[in-house]
Amino acid sequence: DAKTTQPNSMESNEEEPVHLPCNHSTISGTDYIHWYRQLPSQGPEYVIHGLTSNVNNRMASLAIAEDRKSSTLILHRATLRDAAVYYCILRAGGSQGNLIFGKGTKLSVKP
Amino acid sequence: GAVVSQHPSWVICKSGTSVKIECRSLDFQATTMFWYRQFPKQSLMLMATSNEGSKATYEQGVEKDKFLINHASLTLSTLTVTSAHPEDSSFYICSALRGNNNSPLHFGNGTRLTVT
Repeated sequence: DAKTTQPNSMESNEEEPVHLPCNHSTISGTDYIHWYRQLPSQGPEYVIHGLTSNVNNRMASLAIAEDRKSSTLILHRATLRDAAVYYCILRAGGSQGNLIFGKGTKLSVKP
Repeated sequence: GAVVSQHPSWVICKSGTSVKIECRSLDFQATTMFWYRQFPKQSLMLMATSNEGSKATYEQGVEKDKFLINHASLTLSTLTVTSAHPEDSSFYICSALRGNNNSPLHFGNGTRLTVT
């Protein structure tokens, strides 16, 4: 599986937007970009995923670079409940479906 | 949304005993489930892929005779940690695939295992 690189940690203020970057320079044409987050002592939670076009859902937006070598998860208005570890993961299309987790970015949200 | 239930949420057992963890997909059928393990301050590590009606596929370095996986129905997979030792203490998390292999994974809330 192609690797991703994320900052170890980021800080944000409550009610401000947060942009979480992810580099994946070795991404292949069939790799989907998935984002999950994990709150303390809980299982991961699906956030969003995409292939080439930008994606929006009720939780976040995913901006994918034109060359697909990087992407950004956007939380439009951070809340204290958004404090979590965010994982950017590539999953090959047609794979058996498993996800290989990296270290992720620990997001802290200050009131 | 899809719900995956994991039970128990925590368990304490003595060294040498076996512990069974259940993972259920509550509102969908899951042909494929995955088991992960997470040590403190580390990321999730995939242990095995569980397919309904067939043997599980284990990742390199995971002992299949120690971590028994059974996926007897489309809504239930179990992980049994046999002859548990303190080094098996960890956070075990299951996930289920709903739909095709490009679909998101739905995770349980994990089981905290402590072996004394």
